[in-house]
Amino acid sequence: GQQLNQSPQSMFIQEGEDVSMNCTSSSIFNTWLWYKQDPGEGPVLLIALYKAGELTSNGRLTAQFGITRKDSFLNISASIPSDVGIYFCAGPVWGKLIFGQGTELSVKP
Amino acid sequence: KAGVTQTPRYLIKTRGQQVTLSCSPISGHRSVSWYQQTPGQGLQFLFEYFSETQRNKGNFPGRFSGRQFSNSRSEMNVSTLELGDSALYLCASSPQLTQQETQYFGPGTRLLVL
Repeated sequence: GQQLNQSPQSMFIQEGEDVSMNCTSSSIFNTWLWYKQDPGEGPVLLIALYKAGELTSNGRLTAQFGITRKDSFLNISASIPSDVGIYFCAGPVWGKLIFGQGTELSVKP
Repeated sequence: KAGVTQTPRYLIKTRGQQVTLSCSPISGHRSVSWYQQTPGQGLQFLFEYFSETQRNKGNFPGRFSGRQFSNSRSEMNVSTLELGDSALYLCASSPQLTQQETQYFGPGTRLLVL
């Protein structure tokens, strides 16, 4: 079945640094979703992308829908301690949401 | 508006037992989806219910089943538990069928099978 390959698997950064992560697929997606999951909680939607080339921001977060429709990127600028968590990309396939393996972000104050 | 609630939050069972997990969606939401989250397999879609009918199903064995009630509350059941069923089970609700971008997740039920 379709898979989403997310990288990196984990990141350890200093507070204030910018962060980039990406998600790729062998198949085309019409929608890309980015979630964040805090410990002990369910994922929370950060950004939804619907069109190839689309660039969308949510505060310090910016995500892009790749031109090929097979990838997406998430950037976090000027990271802060509360950015810690696991970030997932996801996309719908025949009504089912499939997720990348996640990028675990650690921020050192 | 209250969020998605799941009960219980934690559960310990032994192999061979069965378990029922409950999910109360956000008021007014009619679709409920269930996901399994494990360190090895990540987040995987189990099934989606809308108007008391299963509308979509993931690639899980028949031991995993669910249902939805007329008030949109949903339960999922796992029979004959195996060690590999240990996971965080997440429920998500959305206003309509297959509206992933408007899907809100609950905190999950963490199941440990011994």
